[in-house]
Amino acid sequence: AQSVTQPDIHITVSEGASLELRCNYSYGATPYLFWYVQSPGQGLQLLLKYFSGDTLVQGIKGFEAEFKRSQSSFNLRKPSVHWSDAAEYFCAVGPSNDYKLSFGAGTTVTVRA
Amino acid sequence: DAGVIQSPRHEVTEMGQEVTLRCKPISGHNSLFWYRQTMMRGLELLIYFNNNVPIDDSGMPEDRFSAKMPNASFSTLKIQPSEPRDSAVYFCASSRTQDLNTEAFFGQGTRLTVV
Repeated sequence: AQSVTQPDIHITVSEGASLELRCNYSYGATPYLFWYVQSPGQGLQLLLKYFSGDTLVQGIKGFEAEFKRSQSSFNLRKPSVHWSDAAEYFCAVGPSNDYKLSFGAGTTVTVRA
Repeated sequence: DAGVIQSPRHEVTEMGQEVTLRCKPISGHNSLFWYRQTMMRGLELLIYFNNNVPIDDSGMPEDRFSAKMPNASFSTLKIQPSEPRDSAVYFCASSRTQDLNTEAFFGQGTRLTVV
């Protein structure tokens, strides 16, 4: 069975500082990995995804994530956060031949001025 | 395109009442998903349609829940009778295909409160 763990429930970061959100997954085969962002009152928006190839993936809004198979991790990073990055972030994993995504519990990011 | 459109945005109903949530997927998308988001269980896939046909409803919690997709541009999720534990945000998402390598676009959700 596939599962996702986001160890950090809530992170507070200063505007302009760097951000890293952790994601660990459990999956028996090659996973498809995703990061979504959910702003208050909104649906989920895809930030980036990893299927294969280069383990460092670039996404929208200046985010990137690195797939590390040895650590079963897919951490999300941003070098310099903006106040508009305050939101909830979800990591998700899915099988390559299916549609079922398993989502982590989410990490809420607060940005302070 | 206006994206995935869900209605209503908010619904408050009394226990025992029937609730119907509506979704209009993005035109041209063949796959439609209903998710439920709660604090306790996070995001869960309830049911998935491909070309208007329900493919997997294993996530539907009980017989009180039913979903239909009568045509490519409309889907409903019905709860009858509703219970307080059904309170959650229900998301509809659509994608061009069922494969995960095509992006799923989410609606803004319906926040359901059952009192």
